[in-house]
Amino acid sequence: DQQVKQNSPSLSVQEGRISILNCDYTNSMFDYFLWYKKYPAEGPTFLISISSIKDKNEDGRFTVFLNKSAKHLSLHIVPSQPGDSAVYFCAASTSGTYKYIFGTGTRLKVLA
Amino acid sequence: GAGVSQSPSNKVTEKGKDVELRCDPISGHTALYWYRQSLGQGLEFLIYFQGNSAPDKSGLPSDRFSAERTGGSVSTLTIQRTQQEDSAVYLCASSLVQVGEQFFGPGTRLTVL
Repeated sequence: DQQVKQNSPSLSVQEGRISILNCDYTNSMFDYFLWYKKYPAEGPTFLISISSIKDKNEDGRFTVFLNKSAKHLSLHIVPSQPGDSAVYFCAASTSGTYKYIFGTGTRLKVLA
Repeated sequence: GAGVSQSPSNKVTEKGKDVELRCDPISGHTALYWYRQSLGQGLEFLIYFQGNSAPDKSGLPSDRFSAERTGGSVSTLTIQRTQQEDSAVYLCASSLVQVGEQFFGPGTRLTVL
């Protein structure tokens, strides 16, 4: 029973265009969401997070949108750069707990 | 400062052998986590240590898996009588506080032949 789903295993985008990575969750108790980025042979690194009291959080080229009624979040990267090519994981947790539930990841390839 | 380190980076073993994977968390981080990423899967929580509290072992897949954290710092994940399905990347993470951002190590790729 996968509580956090990333249904697109891969995505290719032209440099300069927008990348949109999607994530769905099933547990309505989740109220804190994160995106991690992973390069080959490295551990995941934290990218951006959002609390359920917000529906949008922005950090430079990265914006995360949360739609609580649809139990859906998305990560927008604008403009996409070749260095953004990596695997992106979304994760969810219930505030006050330490357990993150991770999705299976989406491999983003930004084409120069 | 130094990040989370893990050793070895790669481990190839034969089915039935025991393996030990090591994690050195960021100095001062009280929380330590082990995850496993099997091929095509997300990160699967294995075990969590917080200070001197009893660890949360709820994610360990079988009693062949165990972990220790000595002196509140270095942790060792031990897999006994390895099976081919144990092949995965084992990731360690640490955080400053219980619910803080988790910083990951580079992982150990375990291959069981």
